[in-house]
Amino acid sequence: GENVEQHPSTLSVQEGDSAVIKCTYSDSASNYFPWYKQELGKRPQLIIDIRSNVGEKKDQRIAVTLNKTAKHFSLHITETQPEDSAVYFCAAGGVGAQKLVFGQGTRLTINP
Amino acid sequence: DTEVTQTPKHLVMGMTNKKSLKCEQHMGHRAMYWYKQKAKKPPELMFVYSYEKLSINESVPSRFSPECPNSSLLNLHLHALQPEDSALYLCASSVTGDHGQFFGPGTRLTVL
Repeated sequence: GENVEQHPSTLSVQEGDSAVIKCTYSDSASNYFPWYKQELGKRPQLIIDIRSNVGEKKDQRIAVTLNKTAKHFSLHITETQPEDSAVYFCAAGGVGAQKLVFGQGTRLTINP
Repeated sequence: DTEVTQTPKHLVMGMTNKKSLKCEQHMGHRAMYWYKQKAKKPPELMFVYSYEKLSINESVPSRFSPECPNSSLLNLHLHALQPEDSALYLCASSVTGDHGQFFGPGTRLTVL
C-alpha cells in the first residue's frame, strides 16, 4: 500500500521568513496530493491540493510543487505569520482520491 | 451551510456501553468518511461511503459499525469498545470521492 514520509517533524522559523515542508510517497499510482493545517484542538483544514497532471500550484502565500518522477511534493509558505503556527499534514490519494494516506505531520512554529 | 458538523463534541463511555457518533453535512457532498486520530498522530482512515454505499472499510474491528441513512448523514455506532479506542473521531465529506475532503470538528471519545 501507499506510504507517505514527511520531513521535518518540527520546524521553527522567524516571522517573515519562508518555510518548506517535504513529503515523499511510494505508490506511483497516487495522483492527488492535499495539504492540511491543524491548529491545536481544531479540525484539519484543507489549505491547498495538487493533482498529478500539474507541477505547481499557488494560492497567495502558499504554494505546492510536485515531482512525479521523484515521487515527492513540497509545501512552501512565504512571508510567514504567527497564525501560520500549526501542525501541517501532507497526504497522498490514489484513483478516486477517497483513500488518503497521511504523512506524520510537521509542527511549524513561527517566532515573532 | 458550508461546514461538516459532528455530535457529540465529547463522549465518555464504559466498555459495555453502546453509543453512536453523528455527522452531518448539507453541502450536497456525496462522499463521507470516518477517521480516527490519536494524539500527535495523523488521521487514519476507517470507512468511506460513496453515494450512501460503503466503498472502503480499512479492516476496522466490528465493534465499530458505520451507517449512512441518507446523503447528508453519517453515523458511527460503537459497542464493546476498548480503552485503546480512545481518540478523536473525525468525519469528513467531499463533493465526490475525487475531490478534496473537508473535516468536521471531531468527537473526542474516552473509553473507561
